[in-house]
Order: sequence, then structure tokens, then C-alpha cells
Amino acid sequence: NAGVTQTPKFQVLKTGQSMTLQCAQDMNHNSMYWYRQDPGMGLRLIYYSASEGTTDKGEVPNGYNVSRLNKREFSLRLESAAPSQTSVYFCASSPRTGNTGELFFGEGSRLTVL
Amino acid sequence: AQSVSQHNHHVILSEAASLELGCNYSYGGTVNLFWYVQYPGQHLQLLLKYFSGDPLVKGIKGFEAEFIKSKFSFNLRKPSVQWSDTAEYFCAVNEMFSGGYNKLIFGAGTRLAVHP
Repeated sequence: NAGVTQTPKFQVLKTGQSMTLQCAQDMNHNSMYWYRQDPGMGLRLIYYSASEGTTDKGEVPNGYNVSRLNKREFSLRLESAAPSQTSVYFCASSPRTGNTGELFFGEGSRLTVL
Repeated sequence: AQSVSQHNHHVILSEAASLELGCNYSYGGTVNLFWYVQYPGQHLQLLLKYFSGDPLVKGIKGFEAEFIKSKFSFNLRKPSVQWSDTAEYFCAVNEMFSGGYNKLIFGAGTRLAVHP
């Protein structure tokens, strides 16, 4: 059972380049999330998708866009990467019905912007 | 909006020492509380969770946490740590929205190093 799968695991970009982080879950979960993890700041929510067809901003959405492609997939796009976006990005999912908040995380994508 | 504070950013212990990591949240309503652990190079895993009932919650690997509603706290404890407990620990609280979905708000994390 794969759970939550993120690609790529590592990426180096130059300032101004664009890229998309891919995330897929095979648990039939309704809700999906993108977090960034920075030292001393914990995990901060970038965007989330409560259900297929909806997306909403989290705490730190500036510089990012998302697409909920279908129930399984939720991608995060950096249109013009900046050094401040150097971080580890985690995708997560959770069931909606009866959910009490537990998230299931992917293994993370480490992004460096030079 | 909900917020979570973890008091200790770095903790260094010797094996067999006792551990207590502090966590406080800001919202006083009904909450679900979590501790996640991130071992070096790995993704976050659920350590334990509190939804309702007994305020003393037991999780995996001998960890436990106590929910004290009057103090808005959910501290993590372990009587005797092992080297393999070296990891970063995150406290989290869920924030509910209409429609039944929710999102987790995380604390800044506590990095624990256990020396043999």
C-alpha cells in the first residue's frame, strides 16, 4: 500500500524557474494538503483541497498555485521560484467523512532555489 | 485562529532519562490533538492522538501524552528514552471548518537528541 507518493524527492532550481511538485494518494481520501517545513517554524500550510474540485489558501500561499487534478492527485506549482521557497515540501491527505484531523504524509520533496 | 506553541526547540538527553515536551494551544473549544514524530530522513508519522475520553493517551513506542483542558496543554512524555527516539517531535491541533473538513495547525517542533 503506497499511501501518499510525492515526486520529485529532490530538486534544485535557479531563481525564476518554474516547476511542479506532484502528489498522489491511493487511500481514497477526500482532502489533500501541501505543507512546507522550515527549521524552527514547523509545518506551515500552503494550500489545501477539502474535496475534489475545491482548493483554498492556507497560511503561506504566496508564490504557489495548486491543482486538484482528480480525487487522487494534488499538484503544487511554483511559477517563478525564489530563494525564500527553499524548503522541504510535504503532501498529506485525510479522509473527510468522520475525520477527526489525522493526516497521512508523503516522504517529502526537498527543493533548493539558487 | 488556532496556534500551537512548543516550548522547547532543542532537547538533549542521555539514554534512560525521562522526557517531557511541552505543547500549548490557543483555542478553547473542542479540539483534537496530535503528536507527530519525524525520524531523520523520514516523513512525519503519527505518534499519538487525543479525540475525547481519557485525557491520558498512550501511543506507540512507550510515549504518552496528557490533555489538560484548563491549561490548554497536551504534553508528551516518556519515562525512559532510547537512542532510537532521536527525532523531531511536532504537536498539532485540528481546526474544524463547516462542511466537515479540517486542517492541522502545527507547532514549530522540538528536536530531540538522545546520547547513548
